[in-house]
Amino acid sequence: EIQLQESGPGLVKPSQSLSLTCSVTGYTITSGYDWSWIRKFPGNKMEWMGYISYSGSTNYNPSLKSRISITRDTSKNQFFLQLNSVTTEDTATYYCADVAEDYWGQGVMVTVSS
Amino acid sequence: DIQMTQSPSVLSASVGDRVTLNCKASQNINKYLNWYQQKLGEAPKLLIYNTNNLQTGIPSRFSGSGSGTDYTLTISSLQPEDVATYFCFQHNSWPTFGAGTKLELK
Repeated sequence: EIQLQESGPGLVKPSQSLSLTCSVTGYTITSGYDWSWIRKFPGNKMEWMGYISYSGSTNYNPSLKSRISITRDTSKNQFFLQLNSVTTEDTATYYCADVAEDYWGQGVMVTVSS
Repeated sequence: DIQMTQSPSVLSASVGDRVTLNCKASQNINKYLNWYQQKLGEAPKLLIYNTNNLQTGIPSRFSGSGSGTDYTLTISSLQPEDVATYFCFQHNSWPTFGAGTKLELK
């Protein structure tokens, strides 16, 4: 069974970078699918941030394009989110997911605060 | 971006009720509409994909319909375990979510 697990700091200061890791087990991320980052803001709004495909190509939400980077380490079967220049409006629960097959991590709450 | 508007934002219903949740897109999304259920502290779970296809393992009391800009999720007989927030999600273009309908027991 495919399992995804997010990890990373729960608190980030404004203007700094948010970095999260998604560790995938049960499937090799280079074998198929798109590997996504999605976030849920306080108040329930959800936003698809972007994804890295099994081939390594990336696609980002245009609203984040200048601040986001999704990369991977195929040797560790992990993919990563970096979001630069964060503000308090980036406070959210961040999920990694293979949306097409409906595999999601449990989510990690990140608060942006000084 | 395509905007997805869900109604109502909160719905109270009794066990056994037929429940209807609505989702309206700001433009035609060609039936590329999924429904997710999210319970507190859990990840979203796919219920319906591409308007009316029931995901494997989902009870048959859930069904979806719609076309163009207007879509509906129906629960034919509400069960206590259906208490959750329900999101619609379009993937006709850059994916976007609705704001959710919180389903409560009356």
